[in-house]
Amino acid sequence: GAVVSQHPSRVICKSGTSVKIECRSLDFQATTMFWYRQFPKQSLMLMATSNEGSKATYEQGVEKDKFLINHASLTLSTLTVTSAHPEDSSFYICSARTPPGSGAGELFFGEGSRLTVL
Amino acid sequence: AQKITQTQPGMFVQEKEAVTLDCTYDTSDPSYGLFWYKQPSSGEMIFLIYQGSYDQQNATEGRYSLNFQKARKSANLVISASQLGDSAMYFCAMREGIAGGFKTIFGAGTRLFVKA
Repeated sequence: GAVVSQHPSRVICKSGTSVKIECRSLDFQATTMFWYRQFPKQSLMLMATSNEGSKATYEQGVEKDKFLINHASLTLSTLTVTSAHPEDSSFYICSARTPPGSGAGELFFGEGSRLTVL
Repeated sequence: AQKITQTQPGMFVQEKEAVTLDCTYDTSDPSYGLFWYKQPSSGEMIFLIYQGSYDQQNATEGRYSLNFQKARKSANLVISASQLGDSAMYFCAMREGIAGGFKTIFGAGTRLFVKA
């Protein structure tokens, strides 16, 4: 199956700093990637759809200036949590679909990044 | 409105027995896909099985089968011969077509505990 890698897996930062999380598709090209957020013992909430070469599409209620998404190439999308605060502490997980015609269109997920803001 | 509903926060099953995890969905899009994912305590999301809205037969993948009842809008996951390693969170998900922007949304999840 397709491989999606996410880095870092864990990050601890001070309040007010910015944190960048990278999501890479290792063996396929992903024109679209998805960023989800998961609070403890809760479901995955879609934050935004990352589109290669264009602006991300954010879900309602997600601050685009807080969560900056850049999809600069067909294999890399980044999520930057700007001026992080303790309430931004969460598990962030990216995913990508393989191109149409390959597979069932299931999402392949990165390992996830656990952000803790002190 | 909830589009994916998993009504069982937690389920217990005896090892080697079968278990059914419930999932109902809501969509007006004629073209959609239904998925089940497993999330162990490590946090990774593992794809288990897929059912397309136009598929006539229920999907099966090894010990996993999907009981697809389109008229009832349900897509229950059946795990046969449960193993201790099946203990995890299970999420039902749906991807709508154009109407839903091809986004995949997830249910609240069901935590499965397999007893020895």
